[in-house]
Amino acid sequence: NAGVTQTPKFRVLKTGQSMTLLCAQDMNHEYMYWYRQDPGMGLRLIHYSVGEGTTAKGEVPDGYNVSRLKKQNFLLGLESAAPSQTSVYFCASSYPSYIGNEQFFGPGTRLTVL
Amino acid sequence: SQQGEEDPQALSIQEGENATMNCSYKTSINNLQWYRQNSGRGLVHLILIRSNEREKHSGRLRVTLDTSKKSSSLLITASRAADTASYFCATEPGEAGGTSYGKLTFGQGTILTVHP
Repeated sequence: NAGVTQTPKFRVLKTGQSMTLLCAQDMNHEYMYWYRQDPGMGLRLIHYSVGEGTTAKGEVPDGYNVSRLKKQNFLLGLESAAPSQTSVYFCASSYPSYIGNEQFFGPGTRLTVL
Repeated sequence: SQQGEEDPQALSIQEGENATMNCSYKTSINNLQWYRQNSGRGLVHLILIRSNEREKHSGRLRVTLDTSKKSSSLLITASRAADTASYFCATEPGEAGGTSYGKLTFGQGTILTVHP
């Protein structure tokens, strides 16, 4: 099992360019999440999905779009990148449980917007 | 906004000593989780404690939860150099009559350095 994988690992963009980050999981998890992590801060939720074909906004959704066309994939798009979007992006997935949802994280994508 | 406040922001200890990290939160929760992040890597789940539990153990980890004070602590006993990492608490909200869909709110983390 690969777990949660993210593509690419690093990327440098110029202001105004667009890009898509890909997250894939092979654990058949229903829930998937995109976070961003900035220096000295914890993770902040951008968007999440509770199943194929569904997405919802998190804490900091502005400037990002997402899609979940297949259960195992969750895409994060930046239509017009801004320097404020320089960050490390993490994808995570989890399986619904009334006990609590342990999240499994990918290795991250380090994005720099110049 | 960040739900959790962690204390201390940084902790430096010698191998073999115990490390204690604290987390406070603001709203009602379903559970509280602790994660570890090694430098440049993704987060790894350590332990989950439900709102109706007061203490939980896993190996060298001990977590306590005080819902009346909205606080939790993570104790790592007999620390090792390999425990050097950032540690984050994360809360899953208690949603009245519904589900939170596993959404977590993270604290800013504690950077733990264990010297050999």
